[in-house]
Amino acid sequence: GAVVSQHPSWVICKSGTSVKIECRSLDFQATTMFWYRQFPKQSLMLMATSNEGSKATYEQGVEKDKFLINHASLTLSTLTVTSAHPEDSSFYICSARVQGRTDTQYFGPGTRLTVL
Amino acid sequence: AQSVSQHNHHVILSEAASLELGCNYSYGGTVNLFWYVQYPGQHLQLLLKYFSGDPLVKGIKGFEAEFIKSKFSFNLRKPSVQWSDTAEYFCAVRMDSSYKLIFGSGTRLLVRP
Repeated sequence: GAVVSQHPSWVICKSGTSVKIECRSLDFQATTMFWYRQFPKQSLMLMATSNEGSKATYEQGVEKDKFLINHASLTLSTLTVTSAHPEDSSFYICSARVQGRTDTQYFGPGTRLTVL
Repeated sequence: AQSVSQHNHHVILSEAASLELGCNYSYGGTVNLFWYVQYPGQHLQLLLKYFSGDPLVKGIKGFEAEFIKSKFSFNLRKPSVQWSDTAEYFCAVRMDSSYKLIFGSGTRLLVRP
């Protein structure tokens, strides 16, 4: 089946530093990947849509300069949280859509970010 | 605004009990409907989905869901739960063939052996 991985699975960083999270589709090509954020006991909220070879599309209220997304290949998208602050602490989940199919997204295991 | 509501935040059942988790959405147009499950320490997995046709959809592991358009609902059911069904369940809706999935807040199910 379609597998999506994320790295790292958890990260702790100091306030003001930047953190990069990788999302990879392991056995399929994904022209589109999605980045979600999940606060404790809350739902997943879509942050942005990452398209291979073009700029990401951000949801309303998401700062594109703070959450940098790069989708350089058909199997890799990265989310960089720049100048992280404690309020950025959250669970970040990516998903990928199989190239040519629009009906199903496959989710990664998530990355827990803690900013001290 | 478009939204998805899951009314039960926590559900505790004994093994062999029947399960029904509610999901309602607020949107009058065409929808695609999904139920995802997240087992402890694992990623979200698709349980079942509805796009069109028979409103009663069967998914993996004995789960099913019924789309009732007049009630804007897509409730998840299982006749007899097992301890291994302990997980968090998310309802999600895609509206008008948009790329976006809108998730409900999730329901944590605990099945006691």
